[in-house]
Amino acid sequence: DAGITQSPRHKVTETGTPVTLRCHQTENHRYMYWYRQDPGHGLRLIHYSYGVKDTDKGEVSDGYSVSRSKTEDFLLTLESATSSQTSVYFCAFRGRDGYTFGSGTRLTVV
Amino acid sequence: GENVEQHPSTLSVQEGDSAVIKCTYSDSASNYFPWYKQELGKRPQLIIDIRSNVGEKKDQRIAVTLNKTAKHFSLHITETQPEDSAVYFCAASTMNRDDKIIFGKGTRLHILP
Repeated sequence: DAGITQSPRHKVTETGTPVTLRCHQTENHRYMYWYRQDPGHGLRLIHYSYGVKDTDKGEVSDGYSVSRSKTEDFLLTLESATSSQTSVYFCAFRGRDGYTFGSGTRLTVV
Repeated sequence: GENVEQHPSTLSVQEGDSAVIKCTYSDSASNYFPWYKQELGKRPQLIIDIRSNVGEKKDQRIAVTLNKTAKHFSLHITETQPEDSAVYFCAASTMNRDDKIIFGKGTRLHILP
């Protein structure tokens, strides 16, 4: 699993409901990232973290929040899911050998 | 902030020929430039990277070149094979405290038989 896992792998949710995606790493890396991937847009940065309780916004942060209370966990919350947030979400950490991605979460908002 | 442009968006080459993908970046402070390969339904995976203190790096059939003055870098794949078919992403990063790696939009590479 490359030291990083995402859960759930797939989720279908209704418009207006809150959703939390989890990213868990086992290698004690300081920097973690959340991206969304959509056709024609590549990987766009939502939020990132450079330590426990230290987070910052990326390119497409509106409608998303994050929390990092422990080094190993980085949570992404969609406060009130909308259809435009249907996407594949990837988290990543920055390690000594570059950036490593999780397997992704496919989120569908109906 | 950093902006990374990647071209072309789609590339088709005959098996055995070479493929070149080009990226430009805007932030002169960027000093780390990785390339990722993403197969259908899989996670992006690092295939090669280059840091700003070198101009070229090679790993078997793949190579990356960097021109810091012009702020562009390129991925070269020689002797292409069917398994090279995938989406390729370039990225740029400052690797600083507030680092946020920014990706290009990707290039879909098709290797034709």
